[in-house]
Amino acid sequence: AQRVTQPEKLLSVFKGAPVELKCNYSYSGSPELFWYVQYSRQRLQLLLRHISRESIKGFTADLNKGETSFHLKKPFAQEEDSAMYYCALSGHSGANNLFFGTGTRLTVIP
Amino acid sequence: GAGVSQSPSNKVTEKGKDVELRCDPISGHTALYWYRQSLGQGLEFLIYFQGNSAPDKSGLPSDRFSAERTGGSVSTLTIQRTQQEDSAVYLCASSLRASPGNTIYFGEGSWLTVV
Repeated sequence: AQRVTQPEKLLSVFKGAPVELKCNYSYSGSPELFWYVQYSRQRLQLLLRHISRESIKGFTADLNKGETSFHLKKPFAQEEDSAMYYCALSGHSGANNLFFGTGTRLTVIP
Repeated sequence: GAGVSQSPSNKVTEKGKDVELRCDPISGHTALYWYRQSLGQGLEFLIYFQGNSAPDKSGLPSDRFSAERTGGSVSTLTIQRTQQEDSAVYLCASSLRASPGNTIYFGEGSWLTVV
C-alpha cells in the first residue's frame, strides 16, 4: 500500500532563510511524486512533479529512492511562499489518482 | 469551463439527511476524482472516474457514500444519512486522462457541515 508522510504540520522560517519541507513515501512500485500548494483562499494547485525536474517559484525537489524521500527546498524563502504544502504520490499502476500526505503549513515571517 | 466547478460551495445539513455534491470538470477532461479534506486528516482519496465508469471505489468510507458520472462530464457525490464525522471539504478534480502523467486540476471544494 502507498503512504505519504509529512512529519511537520507547521513550519515557520524567516524571510530570506532556506526552507525544507519534508516528505517520505512508501510504495512498492516506481512512484511518481508531486508537491501541491494551497495559498490562502485559493484552490489546491500543482507546484512541481519529480519527473519534470524543474524549479517552480524557486522550489526544487529531488526524489531520493534510497531514502524514499521527496523533500521540497527553497534557498531563500519569500513571504508569498506562506501556504499549505502537500506531498502526493501517484499510486496504482496505470491510474492517476493521488495519495496525499497530511500537509505542512509554511509561514514565512517578515 | 475555465476550471473545475463545484456546488454548493457551502452546505449545512442536519444529521440523518442526504446530501448531493456536484462537480463540473474542465471541458474535455475524461478523468474525474473526488477527495475529502478533513481537519487534521489531509486529503483522502474517495473515488475516480474514467469516463462514466469508476475503476476504483476503494476510498469510499462507507456504503452511505456513492458517486456517479453521466455523459462523461458532471459527477454527483451523494452521502446518505449524514453523520457528524462526514463534515469536511469535498474536493473534486479532473485531468485530461486517467493515465499517469496527466496533471490533476482541483476545484475550490464543497464545505459540508453536519449538525
